Parts: sequence; structure tokens; C-alpha cells
Amino acid sequence: DTGVSQDPRHKITKRGQNVTFRCDPISEHNRLYWYRQTLGQGPEFLTYFQNEAQLEKSRLLSDRFSAERPKGSFSTLEIQRTEQGDSAMYLCASSSTGAWGFGPGTRLTVT
Amino acid sequence: AQSVTQLDSQVPVFEEAPVELRCNYSSSVSVYLFWYVQYPNQGLQLLLKYLSGSTLVESINGFEAEFNKSQTSFHLRKPSVHISDTAEYFCAVSDRAGGTSYGKLTFGQGTILTVHP
Repeated sequence: DTGVSQDPRHKITKRGQNVTFRCDPISEHNRLYWYRQTLGQGPEFLTYFQNEAQLEKSRLLSDRFSAERPKGSFSTLEIQRTEQGDSAMYLCASSSTGAWGFGPGTRLTVT
Repeated sequence: AQSVTQLDSQVPVFEEAPVELRCNYSSSVSVYLFWYVQYPNQGLQLLLKYLSGSTLVESINGFEAEFNKSQTSFHLRKPSVHISDTAEYFCAVSDRAGGTSYGKLTFGQGTILTVHP
């Protein structure tokens, strides 16, 4: 079990730029989730995939955010035209029957 | 919709003292309950979970939590804390999304536990 991995671990970008994060879930997990965690808060749900299908999106996920999981394996989260309010830790998690795993997160800083 | 309330944002205690971190939830459906721990600059780690069966669940490092359905609570306790328990603790709930597959997690705001020597 290699765990959930995320890349990059840190990203600093200027306001208005686009960024893309990658998540590799635990290989046998069919469900994949993205969360956002800001300082002093618990993680907040953004979106969820079962295999390659995106089944739920939070109202937090504005039109500037898009997530994909093209082959039901890894997933990408793209933020277009970043804003300072997008600065946060972006967490990926995967699950299957009886198990959950969280990745280490990607810390985004928008300057 | 589900919500989780962690009643204390910060809990300072001395080493070897007992501690209780409080968590209340609301949900219109049956839930699974979790406690996660986050050490500084690290990711979330599962501490313990309640799925079904015995309402008292234990972790390998001495923490325990008890599911109280009537009070919709899942408080975390440890009889004697160590310096190394200093971390942020998150309570979370998940709806029972079909069998034992887990749905999305809804987290509380977190409780920062600081253990002083």
C-alpha cells in the first residue's frame, strides 16, 4: 500500500495564473475526493469521483475550478485565474469498502 | 445535510493528565464517525472510527471515543496524555453511502490539543 500521493506539495503562483494539482489514489480505491483546508478550519468537501464519473460538486467549487479523473485512476484539479482567496491546502482522499486514505496535500499560495 | 461541531477550539493540558475533546454531530441519516489527527506540517491521519457494533472504539495509542446516539456525540478521550499527543484533532462524519463504502466526510473545525510538560 503506497498510500495517496499528491504533486506538487507546494505551489506559489501569482494572482491570475492557472495551476494544476495531481492526486494518485490508493490503487484499489474506486472513490476519490478533493477537499480544501484553510488555516484554522477543518477540510471542506469540494468534489467526488466514483471511478471516472464526477458524482458530486460542492458549491465551493466555482466555475474557475475543474477536476477530472479520466481513466478512473489519478485525478487532476485545475484552478484558473487564481485569486488570493484560493490560498489553502488542497487535500485528496480515496476510499473503498472498509478503508480511507488521505494524501499529504498541496499547499497553494497565491501572491 | 450533515454538520459537526467541535466544542473546544483549543485544549491545553499538562502531561499525564486526562483529556476529553468534544464532538457533536447532526445528520438525518445513519453515519460513520471518525477522529483524525494532524501533526504540524503533516497530513491527516486516521485515529479511530466507529462503523457499527460496540459504541466504544479505541486507537492503538491509548485514545478512545464513544458513540452516543441519543446525544449525537462522539467525544475523544485519553486517560493520560503525552507531549507527543500535541496536534490538531478533527472529528468527521460520513453518510453510509451504500453498504460499508464511505461517502464524503464532513469535518468539524478542529481542536488544537497542546500538552505541556
